[in-house]
Amino acid sequence: GDSVTQMEGPVTLSEEAFLTINCTYTATGYPSLFWYVQYPGEGLQLLLKATKADDKGSNKGFEATYRKETTSFHLEKGSVQVSDSAVYFCALTQGGSEKLVFGKGMKLTVNP
Amino acid sequence: DARVTQTPRHKVTEMGQEVTMRCQPILGHNTVFWYRQTMMQGLELLAYFRNRAPLDDSGMPKDRFSAEMPDATLATLKIQPSEPRDSAVYFCASGLSSSGNTIYFGEGSWLTVV
Repeated sequence: GDSVTQMEGPVTLSEEAFLTINCTYTATGYPSLFWYVQYPGEGLQLLLKATKADDKGSNKGFEATYRKETTSFHLEKGSVQVSDSAVYFCALTQGGSEKLVFGKGMKLTVNP
Repeated sequence: DARVTQTPRHKVTEMGQEVTMRCQPILGHNTVFWYRQTMMQGLELLAYFRNRAPLDDSGMPKDRFSAEMPDATLATLKIQPSEPRDSAVYFCASGLSSSGNTIYFGEGSWLTVV
């Protein structure tokens, strides 16, 4: 079945550091890809998405590019802030279905 | 500001008791999901409804869990009897099937079974 593999962490960075969270997927066909973020004590929020190959999703300084050739959707941010401390989930949906398949999530802590 | 509303936010109950969690999806949304989050398993899909009809509940333990949508504004997830291994955060999410797959999550119901 469809699956998502991502870095699990936890990861601790200093403020203004560069962030990369790797995400690869296994799916038949052409999935839509997502990054969700979960702040402490809250539900998941959509951070960005891409629905076809070579699309780049971006939001709040975060970016991810849908790479079909490497089946990847890595999340990047050039300069993290303390407020970016959260758990980040990579996910996919397949074939028009709304069902999200999630990776395990990665906890990020950013220190001042 | 439209949001998915879940109750209760926190629940501590004794093993064997019935637990009912409720969800009010965003008005106008026609898909509803129940996910369970644990440290060991991460996020697991328990049930999925479209236009109030159950489409997929393959991830839900059938012997003790049940999910329903009595009307378009209410989804319920019931555990009877509850067990300590059911301790988790249960998230409800809703979406509009024509909106390009974006779904919106509630803040979760934090369940502890002792």
